[in-house]
Amino acid sequence: GAVVSQHPSRVICKSGTSVKIECRSLDFQATTMFWYRQFPKKSLMLMATSNEGSKATYEQGVEKDKFLINHASLTLSTLTVTSAHPEDSSFYICSANGPGGYGYTFGSGTRLTVV
Amino acid sequence: DQQVKQNSPSLSVQEGRISILNCDYTNSMFDYFLWYKKYPAEGPTFLISISSIKDKNEDGRFTVFLNKSAKHLSLHIVPSQPGDSAVYFCAADGSEKLVFGKGTKLTVNP
Repeated sequence: GAVVSQHPSRVICKSGTSVKIECRSLDFQATTMFWYRQFPKKSLMLMATSNEGSKATYEQGVEKDKFLINHASLTLSTLTVTSAHPEDSSFYICSANGPGGYGYTFGSGTRLTVV
Repeated sequence: DQQVKQNSPSLSVQEGRISILNCDYTNSMFDYFLWYKKYPAEGPTFLISISSIKDKNEDGRFTVFLNKSAKHLSLHIVPSQPGDSAVYFCAADGSEKLVFGKGTKLTVNP
């Protein structure tokens, strides 16, 4: 149980385009989802906390207009990287926290490459 | 200010021996700690956790020890196997989100 599916696993896009990443809780309802970014040789950096039915809470230094987060249902949160640039190339991971005490379950991650 | 620290970026051990990964934290309000294992190009997977009311939690080859007075926890892997080679992240649960350490890369040599 407690599976979080993240899609796509890999994406390559052209500079200036937008990319949407989906994070789904498959067998539980996630009231809160988290989006992380991993820089090379560094830890996961929390980007934002996504709460179902309300606006996401962004961490300091994260551009909310660039990284759009939508948590429209209890099983789906999306991260859209708008007007992507090569410096946005990274590994993005979501995690979900459900009311059933599953703790934090991570998705499999998305490798974004902007060319 | 780094609230969760893994001071050893890498660790190398021989197969069959014990691996000890360390983690220190600064926030005494943290009440739940987790270890994650991460292979390259994959998301972290949950490994083992410990509540602050305990000082030890064991799951097969993995044991986590918590020393609250020292604000220190450690992950012991016995016996270590080549498949354990990965990056291990320590995380602390605080304020509805996880605070991660920078990770320790474990290499288990055959």
